[in-house]
Amino acid sequence: GENVEQHPSTLSVQEGDSAVIKCTYSDSASNYFPWYKQELGKGPQLIIDIRSNVGEKKDQRIAVTLNKTAKHFSLHITETQPEDSAVYFCAAPFSGTYKYIFGTGTRLKVLA
Amino acid sequence: GAVVSQHPSWVICKSGTSVKIECRSLDFQATTMFWYRQFPKQSLMLMATSNEGSKATYEQGVEKDKFLINHASLTLSTLTVTSAHPEDSSFYICSARETGPSSYEQYFGPGTRLTVT
Repeated sequence: GENVEQHPSTLSVQEGDSAVIKCTYSDSASNYFPWYKQELGKGPQLIIDIRSNVGEKKDQRIAVTLNKTAKHFSLHITETQPEDSAVYFCAAPFSGTYKYIFGTGTRLKVLA
Repeated sequence: GAVVSQHPSWVICKSGTSVKIECRSLDFQATTMFWYRQFPKQSLMLMATSNEGSKATYEQGVEKDKFLINHASLTLSTLTVTSAHPEDSSFYICSARETGPSSYEQYFGPGTRLTVT
């Protein structure tokens, strides 16, 4: 079955700097990789996703890159702002299903 | 678009009682909904997959007789925690997948915090 590892578990950056969070997955058949942002006491919010037929996707300050050969995908946040502070989760589907397995999460703190 | 609601947002109940949590997709039809549990400072753990018009499928280790799931329509799934105990206290989150074979996106509800005293 699928296994997803996420690093780092915590990340502190200065406002305006970039943040990068990386996830690795085990199932080479996985074809969809979402990233979620979760603020305290709230449900996860989908912020960006990528399918396996592309290597990179960007949406304003947020980008996701996918390396299928190495089986890892990364979230890039540029020009970080205090409101980016949250817990970020990556996910990947179980092989042949629509169920997700989530990474362990990264607590991002953007210092003003 | 793609809004999912949950009700209630928080609930306190006494040990031994049952609690029902509702999950609704507000602006799309969801053949499949998922129920997760999240303990403090931990990741989301999938409990079960709820399919409209059929029985839910539960993940290993999740008691189906304790966590009753009903998906009676394309926009509503309910999770009932029966005979709740303090160890069932957690943050319960549902998600919904839009109907369609190529639709992998899951949209999450705001969560329900359950406290069992």
